[in-house]
Amino acid sequence: NAGVMQNPRHLVRRRGQEARLRCSPMKGHSHVYWYRQLPEEGLKFMVYLQKENIIDESGMPKERFSAEFPKEGPSILRIQQVVRGDSAAYFCASSPIPPGPDQPQHFGDGTRLSIL
Amino acid sequence: AQSVTQLDSQVPVFEEAPVELRCNYSSSVSVYLFWYVQYPNQGLQLLLKYLSGSTLVKGINGFEAEFNKSQTSFHLRKPSVHISDTAEYFCAVSDPDKLIFGTGTRLQVFP
Repeated sequence: NAGVMQNPRHLVRRRGQEARLRCSPMKGHSHVYWYRQLPEEGLKFMVYLQKENIIDESGMPKERFSAEFPKEGPSILRIQQVVRGDSAAYFCASSPIPPGPDQPQHFGDGTRLSIL
Repeated sequence: AQSVTQLDSQVPVFEEAPVELRCNYSSSVSVYLFWYVQYPNQGLQLLLKYLSGSTLVKGINGFEAEFNKSQTSFHLRKPSVHISDTAEYFCAVSDPDKLIFGTGTRLQVFP
């Protein structure tokens, strides 16, 4: 029973390039969350998606960042024109129904993005 | 807005000693609290959660936490730690469609 799968595990980009991070939720889960962990900090919520819908993007930077969760395939977090400050670990979590106390989010192992 | 404070960024302890990792929350509504553990280069794993009912919550790996409403705290405890408990520990509150995390406490267990 596979957990939340994120790829790549490590991604290196040069300033100005695009980064695409993928997340496949656990089987049967239709809700995906993206979090960002900056060095020496806790995780910060970015965006919450259901299939084909963005439910809450209150934590997404206003520019360069976008996320999608298509009907088929993984969720994608896309960062355009990356800058050094985008270097972080990006974690995806999934849940079968909207989270609440009975359905804690399950996390993937993250994608570590490094910007040269 | 809800928030979580973890006062200790690092907690060093010797093997087999007891440990307490502190967590305080701020919330104006019913609160659901969680402790997650993060081993190096891995994602977060749920240790335990408080939903309602008994204020003492038992989790995996011998950890437990106590919900204290009057002190707005949810401290994590283990009576005897192992080397393998060395990791980062995060306290979180449900908000409700996202998790609000503290900044984490690094537990370092020495032989």
